[in-house]
Amino acid sequence: AQKVTQAQTEISVVEKEDVTLDCVYETRDTTYYLFWYKQPPSGELVFLIRRNSFDEQNEISGRYSWNFQKSTSSFNFTITASQVVDSAVYFCALLNQAGTALIFGKGTTLSVSS
Amino acid sequence: DAGVTQSPTHLIKTRGQQVTLRCSPKSGHDTVSWYQQALGQGPQFIFQYYEEEERQRGNFPDRFSGHQFPNYSSELNVNALLLGDSALYLCASSSWGAVHNTEAFFGQGTRLTVV
Repeated sequence: AQKVTQAQTEISVVEKEDVTLDCVYETRDTTYYLFWYKQPPSGELVFLIRRNSFDEQNEISGRYSWNFQKSTSSFNFTITASQVVDSAVYFCALLNQAGTALIFGKGTTLSVSS
Repeated sequence: DAGVTQSPTHLIKTRGQQVTLRCSPKSGHDTVSWYQQALGQGPQFIFQYYEEEERQRGNFPDRFSGHQFPNYSSELNVNALLLGDSALYLCASSSWGAVHNTEAFFGQGTRLTVV
C-alpha cells in the first residue's frame, strides 16, 4: 500500500526562523514521484516541487529546500528565514502506481508570526 | 492564460439533495481529476476523466459520478447528499500521459456544506 505521513499537525514560528516540515512515505515501487504543495487560505493547491525516486539530489529554490532520503523514506521541506506569507497548510504527496492520482498526507499547518 | 476554474465557489445543500460542481481545465490540458478535502484532512482522490471517460476511481460510493465534455471541462455530481459530504472539492487538470513530467494544476475549489 502507498501512504504519506506528515506527523506534524501544526507548527508556529516567528519570522526569520528556519522551519522543517517532515514527510515520510511508504511505497513498494522502485520508481515513484513525490510532491509538495502549499495551500493558502484561498484553498487552491500551489505546486512547489516534484521529485523522482532515482534523483536523490537535494534541491534548493530561494528560501525553500528539500531533503530526499530513500534510506529513511523521507522527503522533508525546509523554509529558511520564514516570512508571514509562508503561513499556509503544506501537503506532501505521492503519485499512485497508475500515475493518475496523488496520495496526500494530512498536511502541516504553518503559522509564521511577525 | 486562465488556470483551472471551478464553480460555484460556495454551496449550501440539504441532506438528500443532489449537487453538481463544475470545472474548466487549464488551457492545453485534457485530463481532469476531482478530489474531496474534508476539514483538517488532505485531499482524497475521487476520480479522473480523460477523453470523456472515467479512467480511474478512488474509494468513493456510486453516489459520486462525473462527466467530461468534448471541450475537456468536467462536472462532479453527488446524489443523496449526506452531512459527511461537506468538504472542499478540488479539481485538478493535467495532460494525459505526461503526469510524470507535468505537475497537476488545481482550482480554488468549491466549498460544499450539507445541512
